[in-house]
Amino acid sequence: EDKVVQSPLSLVVHEGDTVTLNCSYEVTNFRSLLWYKQEKKAPTFLFMLTSSGIEKKSGRLSSILDKKELFSILNITATQTGDSAIYLCAVVREGKLVFGKGTKLTVNP
Amino acid sequence: NAGVMQNPRHLVRRRGQEARLRCSPMKGHSHVYWYRQLPEEGLKFMVYLQKENIIDESGMPKERFSAEFPKEGPSILRIQQVVRGDSAAYFCASSPTGQEIYGYTFGSGTRLTVV
Repeated sequence: EDKVVQSPLSLVVHEGDTVTLNCSYEVTNFRSLLWYKQEKKAPTFLFMLTSSGIEKKSGRLSSILDKKELFSILNITATQTGDSAIYLCAVVREGKLVFGKGTKLTVNP
Repeated sequence: NAGVMQNPRHLVRRRGQEARLRCSPMKGHSHVYWYRQLPEEGLKFMVYLQKENIIDESGMPKERFSAEFPKEGPSILRIQQVVRGDSAAYFCASSPTGQEIYGYTFGSGTRLTVV
Protein backbone atom coordinates (compact mmCIF):
# COMPACT_ATOMS: atom_id res chain seq x y z
CA GLU A 1 0.00 0.00 0.00
CA ASP A 2 1.25 3.50 -0.83
CA LYS A 3 2.58 5.33 2.16
CA VAL A 4 3.78 8.86 2.87
CA VAL A 5 5.18 9.51 6.34
CA GLN A 6 5.98 12.94 7.66
CA SER A 7 8.01 13.79 10.72
CA PRO A 8 7.83 15.30 13.16
CA LEU A 9 4.05 15.50 13.46
CA SER A 10 4.36 18.75 15.34
CA LEU A 11 7.10 21.22 16.06
CA VAL A 12 7.28 24.37 18.18
CA VAL A 13 10.09 26.83 17.57
CA HIS A 14 10.95 30.48 18.20
CA GLU A 15 11.10 33.16 15.58
CA GLY A 16 14.44 33.12 13.82
CA ASP A 17 15.00 29.38 14.22
CA THR A 18 15.66 27.11 11.24
CA VAL A 19 13.47 24.04 10.83
CA THR A 20 13.71 20.90 8.75
CA LEU A 21 10.59 18.91 7.94
CA ASN A 22 10.86 15.35 6.71
CA CYS A 23 8.84 13.29 4.29
CA SER A 24 9.51 9.67 3.38
CA TYR A 25 7.47 7.67 0.93
CA GLU A 26 6.80 4.23 -0.43
CA VAL A 27 4.85 4.61 -3.64
CA THR A 28 4.79 2.49 -6.76
CA ASN A 29 5.21 4.34 -10.05
CA PHE A 30 6.48 7.48 -8.35
CA ARG A 31 6.26 10.56 -10.53
CA SER A 32 6.77 13.58 -8.32
CA LEU A 33 6.52 14.93 -4.80
CA LEU A 34 4.75 18.11 -3.77
CA TRP A 35 4.83 20.28 -0.68
CA TYR A 36 1.84 22.35 0.43
CA LYS A 37 1.28 24.83 3.25
CA GLN A 38 -2.12 24.63 4.91
CA GLU A 39 -3.39 27.35 7.16
CA LYS A 40 -7.07 27.57 8.03
CA LYS A 41 -8.06 27.42 4.39
CA ALA A 42 -6.92 25.94 1.10
CA PRO A 43 -3.60 24.13 0.95
CA THR A 44 -1.29 26.38 -1.04
CA PHE A 45 1.37 24.99 -3.32
CA LEU A 46 5.01 25.37 -2.34
CA PHE A 47 7.17 23.04 -4.43
CA MET A 48 7.06 20.21 -6.90
CA LEU A 49 10.10 17.91 -7.01
CA THR A 50 10.72 15.35 -9.68
CA SER A 51 14.50 14.94 -9.86
CA SER A 52 16.92 13.85 -7.16
CA GLY A 53 19.44 16.28 -5.76
CA ILE A 54 18.09 19.46 -7.30
CA GLU A 55 17.18 22.00 -4.66
CA LYS A 56 14.10 24.12 -5.19
CA LYS A 57 14.16 27.46 -3.42
CA SER A 58 11.65 30.19 -2.74
CA GLY A 59 12.71 32.91 -0.35
CA ARG A 60 13.39 31.33 3.04
CA LEU A 61 11.98 27.97 1.98
CA SER A 62 13.88 25.27 0.16
CA SER A 63 13.30 21.62 -0.60
CA ILE A 64 15.18 18.68 -2.04
CA LEU A 65 14.31 15.15 -3.09
CA ASP A 66 16.32 11.94 -2.73
CA LYS A 67 14.79 9.29 -4.99
CA LYS A 68 17.30 6.67 -3.96
CA GLU A 69 16.49 6.92 -0.25
CA LEU A 70 12.84 7.85 -0.94
CA PHE A 71 12.58 11.03 1.06
CA SER A 72 12.35 14.77 0.82
CA ILE A 73 13.06 17.59 3.22
CA LEU A 74 11.60 21.06 3.49
CA ASN A 75 13.79 23.67 5.13
CA ILE A 76 12.60 26.99 6.49
CA THR A 77 15.25 29.44 7.64
CA ALA A 78 14.75 32.47 9.87
CA THR A 79 11.22 31.36 10.73
CA GLN A 80 8.48 33.94 11.27
CA THR A 81 5.15 33.67 13.07
CA GLY A 82 3.48 33.69 9.66
CA ASP A 83 5.14 30.37 8.91
CA SER A 84 2.89 28.72 11.49
CA ALA A 85 0.83 26.20 9.54
CA ILE A 86 0.50 22.55 8.68
CA TYR A 87 2.98 21.51 6.01
CA LEU A 88 1.76 18.70 3.80
CA CYS A 89 3.83 16.39 1.68
CA ALA A 90 2.16 14.49 -1.16
CA VAL A 91 3.29 12.07 -3.81
CA VAL A 92 1.67 11.89 -7.22
CA ARG A 93 0.51 8.45 -8.21
CA GLU A 94 -1.59 7.86 -11.29
CA GLY A 95 -2.96 11.35 -11.37
CA LYS A 96 -3.91 11.58 -7.71
CA LEU A 97 -2.10 12.81 -4.62
CA VAL A 98 -1.18 10.55 -1.71
CA PHE A 99 -0.70 12.77 1.33
CA GLY A 100 1.15 12.38 4.58
CA LYS A 101 -0.51 13.46 7.83
CA GLY A 102 1.36 16.73 7.82
CA THR A 103 3.70 18.52 10.20
CA LYS A 104 2.11 21.18 12.37
CA LEU A 105 4.63 23.99 12.79
CA THR A 106 4.13 26.64 15.45
CA VAL A 107 6.48 29.61 15.45
CA ASN A 108 6.36 31.61 18.67
CA PRO A 109 7.45 35.26 18.82
CA ASN B 1 -9.31 34.45 -11.75
CA ALA B 2 -11.36 33.41 -8.77
CA GLY B 3 -9.51 30.18 -8.06
CA VAL B 4 -11.27 27.01 -7.01
CA MET B 5 -14.58 27.88 -5.37
CA GLN B 6 -16.23 25.55 -2.90
CA ASN B 7 -19.54 26.08 -1.22
CA PRO B 8 -20.84 26.05 1.30
CA ARG B 9 -17.84 26.73 3.55
CA HIS B 10 -19.61 25.13 6.50
CA LEU B 11 -22.46 22.65 6.42
CA VAL B 12 -24.32 21.15 9.34
CA ARG B 13 -26.53 18.15 8.77
CA ARG B 14 -28.45 15.86 11.07
CA ARG B 15 -27.84 12.14 10.87
CA GLY B 16 -29.77 10.66 7.97
CA GLN B 17 -29.92 13.84 5.91
CA GLU B 18 -28.21 14.43 2.60
CA ALA B 19 -25.17 16.65 2.10
CA ARG B 20 -24.36 18.26 -1.25
CA LEU B 21 -20.97 19.88 -1.64
CA ARG B 22 -20.14 22.00 -4.67
CA CYS B 23 -16.87 22.75 -6.39
CA SER B 24 -16.30 25.14 -9.28
CA PRO B 25 -12.84 24.59 -10.73
CA MET B 26 -10.53 27.32 -11.88
CA LYS B 27 -11.34 28.77 -15.26
CA GLY B 28 -9.86 26.55 -17.94
CA HIS B 29 -9.52 23.53 -15.65
CA SER B 30 -11.43 20.45 -16.71
CA HIS B 31 -10.11 18.00 -14.11
CA VAL B 32 -11.50 17.90 -10.59
CA TYR B 33 -10.37 15.90 -7.55
CA TRP B 34 -12.11 15.48 -4.20
CA TYR B 35 -10.23 14.82 -0.99
CA ARG B 36 -11.43 14.28 2.56
CA GLN B 37 -9.54 15.36 5.67
CA LEU B 38 -10.53 13.77 8.93
CA PRO B 39 -9.37 15.34 12.21
CA GLU B 40 -5.66 14.69 12.83
CA GLU B 41 -5.37 12.94 9.47
CA GLY B 42 -3.91 13.89 6.13
CA LEU B 43 -5.99 14.45 3.05
CA LYS B 44 -7.30 11.24 1.53
CA PHE B 45 -8.15 10.95 -2.15
CA MET B 46 -11.78 10.21 -2.92
CA VAL B 47 -12.53 10.67 -6.60
CA TYR B 48 -11.11 12.14 -9.81
CA LEU B 49 -13.47 13.47 -12.45
CA GLN B 50 -13.26 15.03 -15.83
CA LYS B 51 -16.23 16.71 -17.48
CA GLU B 52 -19.07 14.13 -17.55
CA ASN B 53 -16.68 11.29 -16.66
CA ILE B 54 -15.50 9.61 -13.50
CA ILE B 55 -11.85 8.74 -14.06
CA ASP B 56 -10.96 7.17 -10.72
CA GLU B 57 -13.28 6.60 -7.78
CA SER B 58 -11.07 4.19 -5.91
CA GLY B 59 -11.17 6.32 -2.75
CA MET B 60 -14.93 6.66 -2.55
CA PRO B 61 -16.84 4.68 0.07
CA LYS B 62 -18.94 2.08 -1.70
CA GLU B 63 -22.23 3.27 -0.28
CA ARG B 64 -23.91 6.64 0.22
CA PHE B 65 -21.25 8.66 -1.63
CA SER B 66 -21.45 9.80 -5.23
CA ALA B 67 -19.82 12.48 -7.35
CA GLU B 68 -20.50 14.10 -10.67
CA PHE B 69 -19.01 16.78 -12.87
CA PRO B 70 -21.62 17.71 -15.47
CA LYS B 71 -20.97 19.41 -18.75
CA GLU B 72 -22.31 22.64 -17.30
CA GLY B 73 -22.03 23.71 -13.71
CA PRO B 74 -19.96 22.73 -10.71
CA SER B 75 -18.81 19.33 -9.57
CA ILE B 76 -21.04 17.91 -6.85
CA LEU B 77 -20.07 15.51 -4.07
CA ARG B 78 -23.20 13.99 -2.62
CA ILE B 79 -23.42 12.11 0.65
CA GLN B 80 -26.69 10.42 1.39
CA GLN B 81 -27.93 9.48 4.86
CA VAL B 82 -24.99 11.12 6.59
CA VAL B 83 -23.52 9.62 9.75
CA ARG B 84 -21.31 11.17 12.44
CA GLY B 85 -18.22 9.60 10.85
CA ASP B 86 -18.77 11.70 7.72
CA SER B 87 -17.87 14.83 9.69
CA ALA B 88 -14.72 16.11 8.02
CA ALA B 89 -13.30 18.80 5.76
CA TYR B 90 -13.87 18.06 2.09
CA PHE B 91 -11.45 19.69 -0.32
CA CYS B 92 -11.70 20.00 -4.04
CA ALA B 93 -8.71 20.54 -6.33
CA SER B 94 -8.60 21.27 -10.02
CA SER B 95 -6.05 20.93 -12.77
CA PRO B 96 -6.00 22.03 -16.40
CA THR B 97 -5.05 18.52 -17.49
CA GLY B 98 -4.50 15.28 -15.66
CA GLN B 99 -0.75 15.88 -15.58
CA GLU B 100 0.79 17.04 -12.36
CA ILE B 101 3.30 19.23 -14.10
CA TYR B 102 0.58 21.86 -14.34
CA GLY B 103 -0.13 21.64 -10.64
CA TYR B 104 -3.23 21.16 -8.56
CA THR B 105 -5.07 24.15 -7.10
CA PHE B 106 -7.14 23.56 -3.99
CA GLY B 107 -10.30 25.23 -2.82
CA SER B 108 -10.85 26.35 0.76
CA GLY B 109 -12.89 23.30 1.60
CA THR B 110 -16.32 22.54 3.00
CA ARG B 111 -16.41 21.61 6.65
CA LEU B 112 -19.23 19.14 7.19
CA THR B 113 -20.52 18.57 10.69
CA VAL B 114 -23.04 15.82 11.29
CA VAL B 115 -25.04 16.20 14.49
